[in-house]
Amino acid sequence: AQSVAQPEDQVNVAEGNPLTVKCTYSVSGNPYLFWYVQYPNRGLQFLLKYITGDNLVKGSYGFEAEFNKSQTSFHLKKPSALVSDSALYFCAVRDMGLTGGGNKLTFGTGTQLKVEL
Amino acid sequence: DAGVTQSPTHLIKTRGQHVTLRCSPISGHKSVSWYQQVLGQGPQFIFQYYEKEERGRGNFPDRFSARQFPNYSSELNVNALLLGDSALYLCASSWTTGTTGELFFGEGSRLTVL
Repeated sequence: AQSVAQPEDQVNVAEGNPLTVKCTYSVSGNPYLFWYVQYPNRGLQFLLKYITGDNLVKGSYGFEAEFNKSQTSFHLKKPSALVSDSALYFCAVRDMGLTGGGNKLTFGTGTQLKVEL
Repeated sequence: DAGVTQSPTHLIKTRGQHVTLRCSPISGHKSVSWYQQVLGQGPQFIFQYYEKEERGRGNFPDRFSARQFPNYSSELNVNALLLGDSALYLCASSWTTGTTGELFFGEGSRLTVL
């Protein structure tokens, strides 16, 4: 079964500093990986995805993620954090094993990012 | 264009009751998925529908059911509500199924079971 792990419940960073939110995955076959962000009492917003190609994926709001096959990781990064980046971040992997060709996502438990002045 | 819309946004039910949640996908999207997000956890997959057919089902009891209509909107029904069904129910749409595209989520319906 596909799975992702987010080892940190919370990440604190000062505004202007680089941030990293960690994610590791376990899949059979090629991984299709995603990052979503959730603001309080809101739905999930898509940030970026890795399907194939370059290991460094660029996404929305200045975020990027680095895919590392040997370490089975897909860490989310941003060179300079903003207070407005404070939110809950989810890593997800697409389950390729559904019959009927479904596009189920399996999410991690989430990492709360807190950016302080 | 409007995004994924869900209704109601909040609702309170008592144990044993039934609830129906509704979702309208982004115009042109033919696939709708439902997720349950319990407080402090990541979303858990419940169902996916594409072209009115079920394309995936998560590990949820038969009390949970769903359907998709000809206009691609969808309903999630939960019978015999339990306290543990209290959660944010998220609907997501996408162009199709079996692709590598992202899902677009609505704001969710927050269900509280007393």
